[in-house]
Amino acid sequence: GAGVSQSPSNKVTEKGKDVELRCDPISGHTALYWYRQRLGQGLEFLIYFQGNSAPDKSGLPSDRFSAERTGESVSTLTIQRTQQEDSAVYLCASSRRQGSNTGELFFGEGSRLTVL
Amino acid sequence: SQKIEQNSEALNIQEGKTATLTCNYTNYSPAYLQWYRQDPGRGPVFLLLIRENEKEKRKERLKVTFDTTLKQSLFHITASQPADSATYLCALPSGGGFKTIFGAGTRLFVKA
Repeated sequence: GAGVSQSPSNKVTEKGKDVELRCDPISGHTALYWYRQRLGQGLEFLIYFQGNSAPDKSGLPSDRFSAERTGESVSTLTIQRTQQEDSAVYLCASSRRQGSNTGELFFGEGSRLTVL
Repeated sequence: SQKIEQNSEALNIQEGKTATLTCNYTNYSPAYLQWYRQDPGRGPVFLLLIRENEKEKRKERLKVTFDTTLKQSLFHITASQPADSATYLCALPSGGGFKTIFGAGTRLFVKA
């Protein structure tokens, strides 16, 4: 596709349920990021994938959060046993990283998660 | 720890004036700095990148400066328009790699 695609755009779930959020990056982009944005707040880094390297998971807030990426394509962010504090917009971005290229990040429109 | 600070108070200006937003950072020596625009309910959109060896960069009505001594970047919008109303985020690479960290953003309102 032309841009970064995220699904679902909206998800309402009950506390304690697991959720999966999907990100389809721009074709050819080797880097993929997940961020969390709570209402009225800035972007909180969660995880970063770069090609076949080990992902940088330093931003994941707890072991309930995990993410996978298949090669240089789709990524899934999974939140287990959701809590109300997980309510936020989850933004995915991709970037064309080659050597020292400081490519811009292209963001999807986000997945809005509401935990009741 | 590394920190990015942007003015959390909204900036209100009159149409036609120049808007100036500030991004300060500590415990970083970034090779570059980026600015993004975010509209309500949308993902951020890249605007400009400035490298550490560049003092200033321009793109249409936008101007960015980068002072690595002061650890500060200024983002200017000249001849501002109501359509410029949005949240503006600065972003830096972190940890010696390509992980990108964002400031909390400054909300700009341009009144007609």
